[in-house]
Amino acid sequence: GDSVTQMEGPVTLSEEAFLTINCTYTATGYPSLFWYVQYPGEGLQLLLKATKADDKGSNKGFEATYRKETTSFHLEKGSVQVSDSAVYFCALSDGGATNKLIFGTGTLLAVQP
Amino acid sequence: GAVVSQHPSWVICKSGTSVKIECRSLDFQATTMFWYRQFPKQSLMLMATSNEGSKATYEQGVEKDKFLINHASLTLSTLTVTSAHPEDSSFYICSGGLAAGNIQYFGAGTRLSVL
Repeated sequence: GDSVTQMEGPVTLSEEAFLTINCTYTATGYPSLFWYVQYPGEGLQLLLKATKADDKGSNKGFEATYRKETTSFHLEKGSVQVSDSAVYFCALSDGGATNKLIFGTGTLLAVQP
Repeated sequence: GAVVSQHPSWVICKSGTSVKIECRSLDFQATTMFWYRQFPKQSLMLMATSNEGSKATYEQGVEKDKFLINHASLTLSTLTVTSAHPEDSSFYICSGGLAAGNIQYFGAGTRLSVL
């Protein structure tokens, strides 16, 4: 079945460092891909999405490009801030009638001042 | 963005009792609601999908008689953990989805501890 694999954390960075969180997927069809973020004590929030190959999703300085050839959707940010500390989840949706999401295990990012 | 409220945020109960968790979409009508379970350091695992006014569709391995889901309106879904046992202790998360755009809006989750 469809699945999502993302790098294990925690990832610890200093403020203004470059961030990459790897995410690869396995899917039989043409899924939509998502990054969700969960700040401490809050629910998951959609960070960005891409619905087809070569699409780039971006939001709040974060970017991810849908790479069909490598089945990847890596999350990047050029300069992280302390306020970016959170758990980041990569997910896919096969776009079926129920719009089910399949999540990766989540990556904890800790940004130190 | 759309807001989903989940209540309670934390519940402790004795083994054998039942616990109800509410999930409300505050500013939109959720055509579909989803219930997830999250174990420590693991991913969110989908338990069931429900549409307003119809029976929930449970994922393989999820006991429908144990985890009762009611989706009485477009803004409210409830999950009842019946006869809870310590192995049911977990973090339960709900989300509401719109018909278009395949985006889900998540509640903050409920931590269930069964003694």
